[in-house]
Amino acid sequence: DTAVSQTPKYLVTQMGNDKSIKCEQNLGHDTMYWYKQDSKKFLKIMFSYNNKELIINETVPNRFSPKSPDKAHLNLHINSLELGDSAVYFCASRNRGRANEKLFFGSGTQLSVL
Amino acid sequence: AQSVAQPEDQVNVAEGNPLTVKCTYSVSGNPYLFWYVQYPNRGLQFLLKYITGDNLVKGSYGFEAEFNKSQTSFHLKKPSALVSDSALYFCAVRDEGDKLVFGAGTILRVKS
Repeated sequence: DTAVSQTPKYLVTQMGNDKSIKCEQNLGHDTMYWYKQDSKKFLKIMFSYNNKELIINETVPNRFSPKSPDKAHLNLHINSLELGDSAVYFCASRNRGRANEKLFFGSGTQLSVL
Repeated sequence: AQSVAQPEDQVNVAEGNPLTVKCTYSVSGNPYLFWYVQYPNRGLQFLLKYITGDNLVKGSYGFEAEFNKSQTSFHLKKPSALVSDSALYFCAVRDEGDKLVFGAGTILRVKS
């Protein structure tokens, strides 16, 4: 059973389009995250939700909008896609209760904007 | 704000030799330190985490990490490297908050 699953795995689209990436976790965690990994493999946090409430919102263009319908799901919607949005996007989850709780990652969504 | 430095872009080691991947951190409060590994086209997998009081932490696949508070370091080690250990390794730190900050990553290449 996949603990953190993302769909789609690959996403190729044209500039200016709007797209969504879905994430679901079946671990019963209360906190979910989106990370962006650029072409140099650098990982940067974008958003975090705890029980459907936004708790981390890094300096991300407002074209990116996370949506959490329930604590097991955190979707990422991107409007007006730009070339620079091309990256691998990782969803992750954990329980927020203790700071040393590890993150569980999905396998990533490779977004290519043409 | 917390930060992590991984000073080596790449570490090369021969199979069977010991390996070390370096990490130093900066955090205002208690550090919560982690190592993750990423294989090609895969998500990150947890290797180990620092637990208060244990300066030598053992993790998955025979890896261990040494916490040194005075040097603010958390180096990843393995006594005998395997070719299958070749991957991208990330050190990460969290303070008391929710944000886990990753280093830039170190590519480990183990040659037979």
